[in-house]
Amino acid sequence: DGGITQSPKYLFRKEGQNVTLSCEQNLNHDAMYWYRQDPGQGLRLIYYSQIVNDFQKGDIAEGYSVSREKKESFPLTVTSAQKNPTAFYLCASTSDSMNTEAFFGQGTRLTVV
Amino acid sequence: AQSVTQLDSQVPVFEEAPVELRCNYSSSVSVYLFWYVQYPNQGLQLLLKYLSGSTLVKGINGFEAEFNKSQTSFHLRKPSVHISDTAEYFCAVKAWNFNKFYFGSGTKLNVKP
Repeated sequence: DGGITQSPKYLFRKEGQNVTLSCEQNLNHDAMYWYRQDPGQGLRLIYYSQIVNDFQKGDIAEGYSVSREKKESFPLTVTSAQKNPTAFYLCASTSDSMNTEAFFGQGTRLTVV
Repeated sequence: AQSVTQLDSQVPVFEEAPVELRCNYSSSVSVYLFWYVQYPNQGLQLLLKYLSGSTLVKGINGFEAEFNKSQTSFHLRKPSVHISDTAEYFCAVKAWNFNKFYFGSGTKLNVKP
Protein backbone atom coordinates (compact mmCIF):
# COMPACT_ATOMS: atom_id res chain seq x y z
CA ASP A 1 0.00 0.00 0.00
CA GLY A 2 1.17 3.49 -0.78
CA GLY A 3 1.73 5.91 2.01
CA ILE A 4 4.05 8.03 4.10
CA THR A 5 6.29 6.51 6.72
CA GLN A 6 7.75 8.57 9.53
CA SER A 7 10.34 7.21 11.90
CA PRO A 8 10.89 6.92 14.72
CA LYS A 9 7.47 7.32 16.33
CA TYR A 10 9.02 8.55 19.59
CA LEU A 11 12.36 10.30 19.91
CA PHE A 12 14.22 11.64 22.91
CA ARG A 13 16.97 14.19 22.60
CA LYS A 14 19.38 15.68 25.03
CA GLU A 15 19.78 19.42 25.00
CA GLY A 16 22.46 20.53 22.56
CA GLN A 17 22.11 17.53 20.27
CA ASN A 18 20.99 17.50 16.68
CA VAL A 19 18.44 14.86 15.68
CA THR A 20 17.06 13.81 12.31
CA LEU A 21 13.49 12.75 11.68
CA SER A 22 12.85 10.48 8.73
CA CYS A 23 10.03 10.83 6.20
CA GLU A 24 9.65 8.47 3.24
CA GLN A 25 6.79 8.27 0.74
CA ASN A 26 6.00 5.80 -2.02
CA LEU A 27 3.13 7.77 -3.52
CA ASN A 28 5.28 9.27 -6.28
CA HIS A 29 4.39 12.73 -4.98
CA ASP A 30 6.45 15.74 -5.96
CA ALA A 31 5.69 18.01 -3.01
CA MET A 32 6.57 17.24 0.59
CA TYR A 33 6.05 19.20 3.80
CA TRP A 34 7.10 19.28 7.45
CA TYR A 35 4.73 20.62 10.09
CA ARG A 36 5.12 21.14 13.78
CA GLN A 37 2.11 20.65 16.04
CA ASP A 38 1.79 22.12 19.54
CA PRO A 39 -1.36 22.00 21.67
CA GLY A 40 -3.81 24.71 20.68
CA GLN A 41 -1.67 26.02 17.83
CA GLY A 42 -2.66 23.75 15.01
CA LEU A 43 -0.10 22.86 12.36
CA ARG A 44 2.70 25.27 11.57
CA LEU A 45 4.76 24.85 8.42
CA ILE A 46 8.50 24.36 8.94
CA TYR A 47 9.78 23.60 5.42
CA TYR A 48 8.34 22.45 2.13
CA SER A 49 9.73 21.10 -1.10
CA GLN A 50 8.00 21.19 -4.46
CA ILE A 51 10.67 19.23 -6.31
CA VAL A 52 13.88 17.31 -5.76
CA ASN A 53 16.90 19.43 -4.75
CA ASP A 54 14.71 22.42 -3.96
CA PHE A 55 13.00 23.50 -0.75
CA GLN A 56 11.62 26.64 0.87
CA LYS A 57 11.32 27.89 4.41
CA GLY A 58 7.92 27.86 5.99
CA ASP A 59 6.68 30.00 8.84
CA ILE A 60 8.91 28.59 11.60
CA ALA A 61 12.11 27.39 9.88
CA GLU A 62 14.59 28.74 12.44
CA GLY A 63 16.51 25.94 14.14
CA TYR A 64 15.57 23.36 11.50
CA SER A 65 17.15 22.10 8.29
CA VAL A 66 16.04 19.77 5.50
CA SER A 67 17.32 18.08 2.38
CA ARG A 68 15.58 16.69 -0.68
CA GLU A 69 18.07 14.51 -2.53
CA LYS A 70 15.49 11.93 -3.58
CA LYS A 71 11.86 12.28 -4.54
CA GLU A 72 10.83 9.74 -1.92
CA SER A 73 12.66 11.21 1.05
CA PHE A 74 12.49 14.50 2.96
CA PRO A 75 14.39 14.25 6.29
CA LEU A 76 14.13 17.00 8.89
CA THR A 77 17.02 17.85 11.21
CA VAL A 78 16.21 19.58 14.48
CA THR A 79 19.36 21.44 15.42
CA SER A 80 20.59 22.64 18.79
CA ALA A 81 19.60 26.14 17.67
CA GLN A 82 15.93 25.22 18.05
CA LYS A 83 15.17 26.50 21.54
CA ASN A 84 11.96 24.61 22.19
CA PRO A 85 11.97 21.45 20.07
CA THR A 86 9.59 19.33 22.13
CA ALA A 87 6.58 18.83 19.84
CA PHE A 88 4.74 16.48 17.51
CA TYR A 89 6.16 16.56 13.98
CA LEU A 90 4.12 15.64 10.93
CA CYS A 91 5.32 14.98 7.41
CA ALA A 92 2.96 15.29 4.44
CA SER A 93 3.04 14.99 0.68
CA THR A 94 0.86 15.87 -2.26
CA SER A 95 0.92 15.41 -5.99
CA ASP A 96 1.61 18.32 -8.31
CA SER A 97 -2.06 18.51 -9.24
CA MET A 98 -3.41 21.56 -7.47
CA ASN A 99 -6.78 20.06 -6.64
CA THR A 100 -5.57 17.24 -4.41
CA GLU A 101 -5.26 16.89 -0.69
CA ALA A 102 -2.18 16.38 1.44
CA PHE A 103 -1.44 12.90 2.75
CA PHE A 104 0.09 12.63 6.21
CA GLY A 105 2.42 10.28 8.02
CA GLN A 106 1.73 9.07 11.55
CA GLY A 107 4.01 11.61 13.15
CA THR A 108 7.09 11.67 15.37
CA ARG A 109 6.88 12.88 18.95
CA LEU A 110 10.14 14.54 19.93
CA THR A 111 10.92 15.15 23.58
CA VAL A 112 13.96 17.00 24.92
CA VAL A 113 15.25 15.47 28.14
CA ALA B 1 -1.60 34.28 1.28
CA GLN B 2 -4.48 32.42 2.84
CA SER B 3 -5.56 31.99 6.44
CA VAL B 4 -8.03 29.83 8.34
CA THR B 5 -9.93 30.52 11.55
CA GLN B 6 -11.60 27.81 13.55
CA LEU B 7 -13.83 29.63 15.96
CA ASP B 8 -14.18 26.96 18.62
CA SER B 9 -11.21 25.31 20.27
CA GLN B 10 -13.40 22.75 22.02
CA VAL B 11 -16.92 21.49 21.37
CA PRO B 12 -18.62 19.19 23.91
CA VAL B 13 -21.68 17.31 22.69
CA PHE B 14 -23.76 14.36 23.81
CA GLU B 15 -23.87 11.16 21.82
CA GLU B 16 -26.50 11.11 19.04
CA ALA B 17 -26.79 14.91 19.06
CA PRO B 18 -26.00 16.98 15.95
CA VAL B 19 -22.79 18.98 15.77
CA GLU B 20 -21.34 21.81 13.71
CA LEU B 21 -17.66 22.76 13.68
CA ARG B 22 -17.05 26.20 12.28
CA CYS B 23 -14.37 27.26 9.82
CA ASN B 24 -13.81 30.61 8.14
CA TYR B 25 -11.07 31.38 5.65
CA SER B 26 -9.47 34.39 4.03
CA SER B 27 -8.07 34.50 0.52
CA SER B 28 -7.80 36.89 -2.40
CA VAL B 29 -7.90 34.03 -4.92
CA SER B 30 -10.03 30.95 -5.45
CA VAL B 31 -9.30 28.17 -3.01
CA TYR B 32 -9.74 24.51 -2.32
CA LEU B 33 -10.98 23.57 1.16
CA PHE B 34 -10.42 20.50 3.30
CA TRP B 35 -11.43 19.00 6.63
CA TYR B 36 -9.13 16.54 8.40
CA VAL B 37 -9.55 14.46 11.55
CA GLN B 38 -6.76 13.55 13.98
CA TYR B 39 -6.94 10.88 16.68
CA PRO B 40 -4.43 11.07 19.56
CA ASN B 41 -0.80 10.56 18.55
CA GLN B 42 -1.71 9.92 14.94
CA GLY B 43 -1.45 11.73 11.64
CA LEU B 44 -4.26 13.59 9.90
CA GLN B 45 -6.88 11.76 7.87
CA LEU B 46 -8.94 13.45 5.18
CA LEU B 47 -12.66 13.70 5.96
CA LEU B 48 -13.79 15.62 2.89
CA LYS B 49 -12.78 18.28 0.40
CA TYR B 50 -14.35 21.01 -1.69
CA LEU B 51 -12.80 21.56 -5.09
CA SER B 52 -15.65 22.96 -7.22
CA GLY B 53 -19.26 22.33 -8.14
CA SER B 54 -21.90 21.53 -5.56
CA THR B 55 -21.35 23.52 -2.39
CA LEU B 56 -22.48 20.64 -0.19
CA VAL B 57 -19.86 17.94 0.05
CA LYS B 58 -20.14 14.62 1.79
CA GLY B 59 -17.28 12.80 3.40
CA ILE B 60 -16.46 9.73 5.39
CA ASN B 61 -18.04 8.72 8.70
CA GLY B 62 -21.28 10.60 7.93
CA PHE B 63 -19.74 14.08 7.91
CA GLU B 64 -20.65 16.79 5.44
CA ALA B 65 -19.63 20.40 4.90
CA GLU B 66 -21.05 23.36 3.05
CA PHE B 67 -18.97 25.88 1.16
CA ASN B 68 -20.32 29.43 1.42
CA LYS B 69 -18.34 31.79 -0.77
CA SER B 70 -20.10 34.97 0.33
CA GLN B 71 -19.44 34.22 4.00
CA THR B 72 -16.05 32.62 3.30
CA SER B 73 -17.03 29.67 5.44
CA PHE B 74 -16.74 25.90 5.26
CA HIS B 75 -18.52 24.52 8.32
CA LEU B 76 -18.46 20.80 9.11
CA ARG B 77 -21.63 19.04 10.26
CA LYS B 78 -22.83 15.67 11.40
CA PRO B 79 -26.48 14.97 12.23
CA SER B 80 -25.78 12.40 14.94
CA VAL B 81 -22.38 11.91 16.56
CA HIS B 82 -20.90 8.81 18.12
CA ILE B 83 -18.39 8.34 20.90
CA SER B 84 -15.89 7.30 18.25
CA ASP B 85 -16.07 10.79 16.69
CA THR B 86 -14.14 12.16 19.65
CA ALA B 87 -11.03 13.62 18.02
CA GLU B 88 -9.49 16.88 16.86
CA TYR B 89 -10.67 18.36 13.58
CA PHE B 90 -8.69 20.67 11.32
CA CYS B 91 -9.89 22.89 8.52
CA ALA B 92 -7.38 23.66 5.75
CA VAL B 93 -7.24 25.86 2.66
CA LYS B 94 -5.06 25.90 -0.42
CA ALA B 95 -4.96 28.43 -3.24
CA TRP B 96 -6.01 27.08 -6.64
CA ASN B 97 -2.61 27.90 -8.13
CA PHE B 98 -0.09 27.13 -5.39
CA ASN B 99 0.65 23.90 -3.58
CA LYS B 100 0.82 25.20 -0.02
CA PHE B 101 -1.71 24.35 2.68
CA TYR B 102 -2.82 26.56 5.55
CA PHE B 103 -4.39 24.94 8.61
CA GLY B 104 -6.65 26.24 11.33
CA SER B 105 -5.78 25.81 15.00
CA GLY B 106 -8.11 22.83 15.35
CA THR B 107 -11.34 22.02 17.19
CA LYS B 108 -11.47 19.27 19.76
CA LEU B 109 -14.77 17.41 19.59
CA ASN B 110 -15.64 15.64 22.83
CA VAL B 111 -18.62 13.31 22.54
CA LYS B 112 -20.14 12.38 25.89
CA PRO B 113 -22.31 9.32 26.58
